[in-house]
Formats: sequence, structure tokens, C-alpha cells
Amino acid sequence: QKEVEQDPGPLSVPEGAIVSLNCTYSNSAFQYFMWYRQYSRKGPELLMYTYSSGNKEDGRFTAQVDKSSKYISLFIRDSQPSDSATYLCAMSANTGNQFYFGTGTSLTVIP
Amino acid sequence: ETGVTQSPTHLIKTRGQQVTLRCSSQSGHNTVSWYQQALGQGPQFIFQYYREEENGRGNFPPRFSGLQFPNYSSELNVNALELDDSALYLCASSLTGGYSYEQYFGPGTRLTVT
Repeated sequence: QKEVEQDPGPLSVPEGAIVSLNCTYSNSAFQYFMWYRQYSRKGPELLMYTYSSGNKEDGRFTAQVDKSSKYISLFIRDSQPSDSATYLCAMSANTGNQFYFGTGTSLTVIP
Repeated sequence: ETGVTQSPTHLIKTRGQQVTLRCSSQSGHNTVSWYQQALGQGPQFIFQYYREEENGRGNFPPRFSGLQFPNYSSELNVNALELDDSALYLCASSLTGGYSYEQYFGPGTRLTVT
């Protein structure tokens, strides 16, 4: 079983839609969670960082962590064509040094 | 604030050769992590350097080695290249001892092994 599972998609939504991206994990020691956006052939760009359980909001983006279910989510409101990219979740245990990544979900927002 | 930079951008090598990739960390950061990202996959952790020492290693063979310099920049060395080493190599910098472990990535070096 992989440490982190993420549906690769692809996911296609109309402009303005609410997008929900999710990851599940198996290691209960994970405490640090990040979401990255990666455009084709570029390095990942950090979108959201959360520690332990709870919600965090930043503009159109909301990250949720449910440690009891080992489930994290990223919501994108009012999606834009510029949001079209691959979204990667990443997580780490106590030390915060080795982050485990999902395979990424490919998102296309159609104008 | 200067972001994470990597060089070279692209590299083509032959199986059996050796390669060195370079990374300059973001201003104010003291830790560099290296990841390998195969096509269509998420990044896989190779190792991390903090205070010029290896501070954690993923499931990669010893022919993957690294260095960190006093200015916090870093090198990734790969010996005896194999075809499966073809990938995007990413470095990420972070601040150990700060209040979070956020990692910021560079643009990557695309390595092709023929």
C-alpha cells in the first residue's frame, strides 16, 4: 500500500465551478500537510500548508485535514482557466523532513 | 527574496556516465531536499541536507549522493546512470528550526539518460 493515495483524474470542470481534490494516507504519524500546483514541465508551487487537523483558507483555496479519517482535501472556489494544472498533495511525520507525495490530480478548467 | 534556482535546466547523458546537478536555496533557508519526479508521478524523496550533513534519505541506492555547502547550496550526484534515472530532479529549500516545514521548489533539472 502506498503511503499517499491520490486520484490522478483527469478532472475537467467549467469555469466558476467548485473543485474538490482529495488524498488519503495510511501513516497516522503524518502531521504536516501541503498542497502544490504544478504546471507542465515546471517545478511544484506551494499553495497551502497546514499542521495537524482543521481548515485553512487562503483566497479561493481552502485546505482541510481530517486526521481521524486520514483524509485531506483542497477546495478551489470560482475556478479559473489559469487553475488548470496538476495538483499534488504532500505530507510528513514529526520531523518534517521527508515529505511523501501523491501522484497528482490533473485539472482542466474549461472557459 | 531570491527563490530556489537549479542548474542546468536540461541534461542528456549516456548510460553509465555520472552527473552533477546544482541547487541554490531560497534566501533565509538552511535546508535542501532533493526529489526525483518520473513522468506522470509525484516527486519521490531522495535525501535532505541540513548543516552540511545528510538528514534523512529515501529509498535510493548509494550511487545517489549529495553535498551541502556553507552557503546552503547543494549538489546531487548520480553515478553509473541507468535509463530509469531519466526524470525531473527537483530541489526544495526550507528552514529547519523555524515554526514550519514548508518546502519551496526550484524549476527542476530534466535529465535524459540514453
